[in-house]
Amino acid sequence: DAGITQSPRHKVTETGTPVTLRCHQTENHRYMYWYRQDPGHGLRLIHYSYGVKDTDKGEVSDGYSVSRSKTEDFLLTLESATSSQTSVYFCAISGVPPGTYNEQFFGPGTRLTVL
Amino acid sequence: EDQVTQSPEALRLQEGESSSLNCSYTVSGLRGLFWYRQDPGKGPEFLFTLYSAGEEKEKERLKATLTKKESFLHITAPKPEDSATYLCAVQGNTGFQKLVFGTGTRLLVSP
Repeated sequence: DAGITQSPRHKVTETGTPVTLRCHQTENHRYMYWYRQDPGHGLRLIHYSYGVKDTDKGEVSDGYSVSRSKTEDFLLTLESATSSQTSVYFCAISGVPPGTYNEQFFGPGTRLTVL
Repeated sequence: EDQVTQSPEALRLQEGESSSLNCSYTVSGLRGLFWYRQDPGKGPEFLFTLYSAGEEKEKERLKATLTKKESFLHITAPKPEDSATYLCAVQGNTGFQKLVFGTGTRLLVSP
C-alpha cells in the first residue's frame, strides 16, 4: 500500500459522536487525499491537502473537516457522525502536483459504521 | 462535468477466456486516464496511466488502450488471481484537476 497506513481499520460509532480517522504515510509525498467509497458511487473526494496546514474541500465535504500538522499525517474528522457517513474511507497520496499527471496511491481503508 | 462510465458492471470468465472491460469518459481536456485494481477489503492498486489517444500500456496479462472517448482494459488468458474490481478514473484540465472515478467492473475468473 505504498507506505500508507490508516487507523482504525474498522470502527462502529453512534449518531452524534465525533470520529477521527488517521492517515499516515512514510513516502514524504506532499499531496494527500481523503475519499469515501459507497456502492453505486465510486470513489468521491472529501478533502485534500497540498502541504502542511494547506487543505481544501472536495466534492462531498459537508460534515467533514481535516487537519495536517505534519507531512506524514492527515486527519479526517466527522464532527457529529450521521448514518449517511457510514462508508469505507480511503486515504491517498501523490508525489506530483495535481496540475500534472496525478497518479494517486491508496491506503488500505477504514470501514466506518454509524448506528 | 467530468464523467466516467464503466461496463459491464460485472463479468464472469472462464480461465483462459480473454475479454475486455470498457471505460467511457467525458472530460474537459483529458490530462490522464488511470486504471486501478481493487481486491475485496483493500485499497485500489495503481495499474496504468494513459495520457493521449492511441497510447497503449501492458502489464502481464493486462493491456490498456485509449481513444478520445473511451479506454479498454484487455485481459488475455485470465487466471483466477485476476479476479478483482477494476476501476477507471480520469483527470481533466479544470479546477483542481481531481480524479473522477467510475463505479468499476467486478471480474470473476473461474478455474
